[in-house]
Amino acid sequence: GAVVSQHPSWVICKSGTSVKIECRSLDFQATTMFWYRQFPKQSLMLMATSNEGSKATYEQGVEKDKFLINHASLTLSTLTVTSAHPEDSSFYICSPPGKRESYNEQFFGPGTRLTVL
Amino acid sequence: GDSVTQMEGPVTLSEEAFLTINCTYTATGYPSLFWYVQYPGEGLQLLLKATKADDKGSNKGFEATYRKETTSFHLEKGSVQVSDSAVYFCALGGNTPLVFGKGTRLSVIA
Repeated sequence: GAVVSQHPSWVICKSGTSVKIECRSLDFQATTMFWYRQFPKQSLMLMATSNEGSKATYEQGVEKDKFLINHASLTLSTLTVTSAHPEDSSFYICSPPGKRESYNEQFFGPGTRLTVL
Repeated sequence: GDSVTQMEGPVTLSEEAFLTINCTYTATGYPSLFWYVQYPGEGLQLLLKATKADDKGSNKGFEATYRKETTSFHLEKGSVQVSDSAVYFCALGGNTPLVFGKGTRLSVIA
């Protein structure tokens, strides 16, 4: 499968600061990137979809001004949590899809654990 | 909208025990079904998949059959090992972003 990296793997920040999470597809070009959020003991919830060269689309209830997504290139997508608050503490996972014969397989980064104090 | 329901965990089994993790889904159309596994400290990995009704996905001794009549995709393994301890996610999708169940944590003790 494809190799996807995320940086940082974990981060602790003070309330009110901004945190940038980088997601890189190391061995293929990702024109699309899905960003998920996973709260403890909860499922992965899709936050937004980014496409290289265009604006991201956000799922209902996700604040686009708070979660800034930039799909800078075919190998890099970033998620910036602006003015983070404790309720933003979560596990953030990026996922580029790859086309197979009859379905889109999704690959997953290792995730970034954000803790906001 | 589409949704996935899987059994609550955690599940604790002794080594060599039989494993079943139930998964049912609600979807429009005919989605593909997946099981992903997340080992401690790692990202999600595809364990197995089925793209149409009656397909059986299998990998590493795990199996799941796409049952359209019962809208289910239960995960089974005949003899679990300690190394199978992980969180297992049932998911559906294919041409759309995957929708996940809540995950089931499996702990296998020697």
